[in-house]
This record gives sequence, C-alpha cells and structure tokens, in this order.
Amino acid sequence: KAGVTQTPRYLIKTRGQQVTLSCSPISGHRSVSWYQQTPGQGLQFLFEYFSETQRNKGNFPGRFSGRQFSNSRSEMNVSTLELGDSALYLCASGQGWSGELFFGEGSRLTVL
Amino acid sequence: TQLLEQSPQFLSIQEGENLTVYCNSSSVFSSLQWYRQEPGEGPVLLVTVVTGGEVKKLKRLTFQFGDARKDSSLHITAAQPGDTGLYLCAGAWRDSWGKLQFGAGTQVVVTP
Repeated sequence: KAGVTQTPRYLIKTRGQQVTLSCSPISGHRSVSWYQQTPGQGLQFLFEYFSETQRNKGNFPGRFSGRQFSNSRSEMNVSTLELGDSALYLCASGQGWSGELFFGEGSRLTVL
Repeated sequence: TQLLEQSPQFLSIQEGENLTVYCNSSSVFSSLQWYRQEPGEGPVLLVTVVTGGEVKKLKRLTFQFGDARKDSSLHITAAQPGDTGLYLCAGAWRDSWGKLQFGAGTQVVVTP
C-alpha cells in the first residue's frame, strides 16, 4: 500500500509570494491533516479535512488555507509568505475515527 | 505552553543500555500515539494505545498508557544505533481525531 505522498519536497520562495503544497493520502483514508514543524515550536496542527469538509482548524492566521478534493487529495496554500513561515510542512492521513495518523515525508519550505 | 510534556529532552546512551522516555499531561486523551522521526523525514507511527493501563510491546520497545489516560512511557531495552531518532508522543481526542497534540520530543542518540 502506497504511503502518504507530498509534493514538492523542497521549495524556496521569497517574502510576499504564495505557495501551494499537495498531499495524496493513503488509499481509503478520508481524513487529511496538515502540520507545521519548526525547531522552536515543534509540530503544530494547521487543519484537518474529512470528506472535503474542514473538520478542525488550528491557531494560524488566515493566510494559511487548505482544501480537500473528492478523491481525498488535499492542498494547502500559504499567501503573502513571511520569513517565519519557513518550516517543514507535514501532511498526515487517517481513517478519521482514530488518532492513528500516517505522515508523509514533508515539504521543506524556505522563505528568503 | 506544551500540553504534553516529554522528558528528558535529550538522551545519549551507549549501545546495549536501556532507556525510558516519559510523556505527561494534565489532559485525558482518547488515544495516545508514539512516533519516531529522523532528520528530513516525516514521523513514523510506532504504536497507538487506547485503554488506561494498556501495555504494548514492539520487539525491544515497550509502551505503557497510564491508568488515567493522561501519561505514557516508552522503554527501549538493549538500545541499538538504529534506535537513534526523535521520539514524539501525541494525544488525540474523540471529537477531533485528526488534531493530534504533540509533545516537544525526546532526541535519543545511541552510540556504538
């Protein structure tokens, strides 16, 4: 069974730009969650989608948004990038009725 | 403020020694997950514990969930260099399965 796939793996942007990250969950998983990981803050929850609906949202500004498609694939978007948005962005999928989440390898975003 | 407190933050041991990592909280969780993460990669799920007092073994790793479902421990017997990594505990609640609350992690280094 293929794991969670995230693209791109690495990207470099400049302040003010926007970025879109993509996530393909494990086949059959309807829940997709996004996390931001930084050395100072650790892993922080961004949002969760289940059957195309946002089910939970973390404490991030409105510049961070996401969506889920009918095939459960998900994208997250960050607009007006700031230096502090540099981080590893992780996508995780699950069945939606347990805490067992399976993570992708992440997208490493560097904002210059 | 970290809802889940992990200790110690860093652990360096010799191959063959035993180690224990602790994960404590004032909150009751519906389930608790342990992950291991290596540099540049996403966290890999090791185990999920659900029932208070539950003990699970995975080869040389033993996981325990506290009776009150607020704390957990991970014990590694006869550590090997391949056990090196960042160990993360994460709690989940029934009404928000995709929203894991992560501890800050314990960096374990096992030297030959």
